[in-house]
Amino acid sequence: GIQVEQSPPDLILQEGANSTLRCNFSDSVNNLQWFHQNPWGQLINLFYIPSGTKQNGRLSATTVATERYSLLYISSSQTTDSGVYFCAVRGETSGSRLTFGEGTQLTVNP
Amino acid sequence: DTEVTQTPKHLVMGMTNKKSLKCEQHMGHRAMYWYKQKAKKPPELMFVYSYEKLSINESVPSRFSPECPNSSLLNLHLHALQPEDSALYLCASSQVVTSIEFFGPGTRLTVL
Repeated sequence: GIQVEQSPPDLILQEGANSTLRCNFSDSVNNLQWFHQNPWGQLINLFYIPSGTKQNGRLSATTVATERYSLLYISSSQTTDSGVYFCAVRGETSGSRLTFGEGTQLTVNP
Repeated sequence: DTEVTQTPKHLVMGMTNKKSLKCEQHMGHRAMYWYKQKAKKPPELMFVYSYEKLSINESVPSRFSPECPNSSLLNLHLHALQPEDSALYLCASSQVVTSIEFFGPGTRLTVL
């Protein structure tokens, strides 16, 4: 099946700093989603981005489908950005399965 | 309404109990999913329902029994669970199986 690798596994920032999270995938995809899992376990949709670039406030994402990677940018980080960020993809031959990466644990200190 | 709801939020059960988890969505989605998530790991797919029919069972033990009574509701019936089944159980839905998935807040299950 499709492989998804996220980096870095852990990231510690001071409030106000910027960061870039990366997601590499091993095959062509028809769905790529970025999620933020908060400390209570809720998975919050950030972006649906199988290709191209999107922005939502301080967050933006870019997927280069031909090179099989996606980047999530967080600018001017806040303590509420802390949590785990997951990239999940559906490969074109994966049927309906969404495959998750291992996640990036982000800690933003005040 | 863009929400997936799950009840209960927390559940503690013994190994001989029978309990059920409930998931509901009113977005008109025709695909619904159960995932299991252990601490510090990503969610793992358990079951997929498409148009109220079970389309994927990821070799889940029979002590977990899914049910989709209608297009808005998904249940997970639990019986004779083991302590290692303690986890966060997440429900998700999407318009169809190839589209964006939206997740509920989860049920945190502890098996004693």
